[in-house]
Amino acid sequence: AQSVTQPDIHITVSEGASLELRCNYSYGATPYLFWYVQSPGQGLQLLLKYFSGDTLVQGIKGFEAEFKRSQSSFNLRKPSVHWSDAAEYFCASLWGGSYIPTFGRGTSLIVHP
Amino acid sequence: GAGVSQTPSNKVTEKGKYVELRCDPISGHTALYWYRQSLGQGPEFLIYFQGTGAADDSGLPNDRFFAVRPEGSVSTLKIQRTERGDSAVYLCASSTSGITDTQYFGPGTRLTVL
Repeated sequence: AQSVTQPDIHITVSEGASLELRCNYSYGATPYLFWYVQSPGQGLQLLLKYFSGDTLVQGIKGFEAEFKRSQSSFNLRKPSVHWSDAAEYFCASLWGGSYIPTFGRGTSLIVHP
Repeated sequence: GAGVSQTPSNKVTEKGKYVELRCDPISGHTALYWYRQSLGQGPEFLIYFQGTGAADDSGLPNDRFFAVRPEGSVSTLKIQRTERGDSAVYLCASSTSGITDTQYFGPGTRLTVL
């Protein structure tokens, strides 16, 4: 069965520090991959997506993610975190021929001043 | 422009009651999705509409759940004989056409079944 794993439930970083949120998928074929952010009281917002081509994807708000087939990973990164980045982050995948996106359980980002 | 809106934002009901949750997608978006998000979990797919028809309803947990989109815009998720386990945030999203297009999410409806 298709699955998406976000191994870190909470991540705490200091403002200005770099950030990496982990995401692993399990399935034989290469999926479409997404990262979303959910702030309190807000709907999920798409940060970036990967379908094919360049494995380093740039997104909004200074985020990027790198697809690594050998590790079945799609980790989200940001070089310098701002306090406003504190939110819940979800990795999601979609496999070709399916209409059903699979979401990870999310990683809660806490930013210390 | 206006984003995806969902009403009500909060709904408290008693076990066994019937509820309707409404989603207004972005104008012109033909694809519409419903998800359920339980506490501490990611969204779980329920149903996907393309226009007026349900292209995939395999995520609906049982026959107490039903969704319609009669005119290809507004959608209503209907839950009969609610159970405490139905308590969750119900999210709606829309996109221009296909499943790989960017989905725009509404703020959700928090359903609490007492």
